[in-house]
Amino acid sequence: QQPVQSPQAVILREGEDAVINCSSSKALYSVHWYRQKHGEAPVFLMILLKGGEQKGHEKISASFNEKKQQSSLYLTASQLSYSGTYFCGTEMTSGTYKYIFGTGTRLKVLA
Amino acid sequence: SQTIHQWPATLVQPVGSPLSLECTVEGTSNPNLYWYRQAAGRGLQLLFYSVGIGQISSEVPQNLSASRPQDRQFILSSKKLLLSDSGFYLCAWSVFAGEAYEQYFGPGTRLTVT
Repeated sequence: QQPVQSPQAVILREGEDAVINCSSSKALYSVHWYRQKHGEAPVFLMILLKGGEQKGHEKISASFNEKKQQSSLYLTASQLSYSGTYFCGTEMTSGTYKYIFGTGTRLKVLA
Repeated sequence: SQTIHQWPATLVQPVGSPLSLECTVEGTSNPNLYWYRQAAGRGLQLLFYSVGIGQISSEVPQNLSASRPQDRQFILSSKKLLLSDSGFYLCAWSVFAGEAYEQYFGPGTRLTVT
């Protein structure tokens, strides 16, 4: 039931864009996105609940498709600070309070 | 504001020794609490979660156990550590934020079993 993230790794130059996908074989109740810097704890970015929802702040946004089986994270005009590993955390059913994390995507932004 | 504490930050323990990791949350009441483990270069594995005092759900059968003796305290224990228990242990809590529960992580404990 672990969601699959793609790509596994990506290297960008500053200012380039990236898309990270999180796919589930079953419909999800919610998707959470996190970024983890090396040696640090994951940091919460945003949560998506509704099919067709799009959400974002600054140059990082995300979408949740209508069937609620895939979410995508969009990084626009990437900065060096965007480097890290991105995880999606998924909740299958409301009220379970249980989150299953995706396989992770390593992103490196070069100057 | 809410904060989450974990200690110790790093720990080196020999195989077969006991383990106790503690997590406390400040600034909220009745939080949902979680223990995750992350092996080097890998993803986050949910170990235990708790929705209230004395209520523990175990996700992975192994030589670890968890307890929640107080509302904002979550403890991860082992009687005898294995080499495979090495990893980055993260405590997390979730809070209802208007539409859904958002989850936040503590700073983590890096455990090396030798």
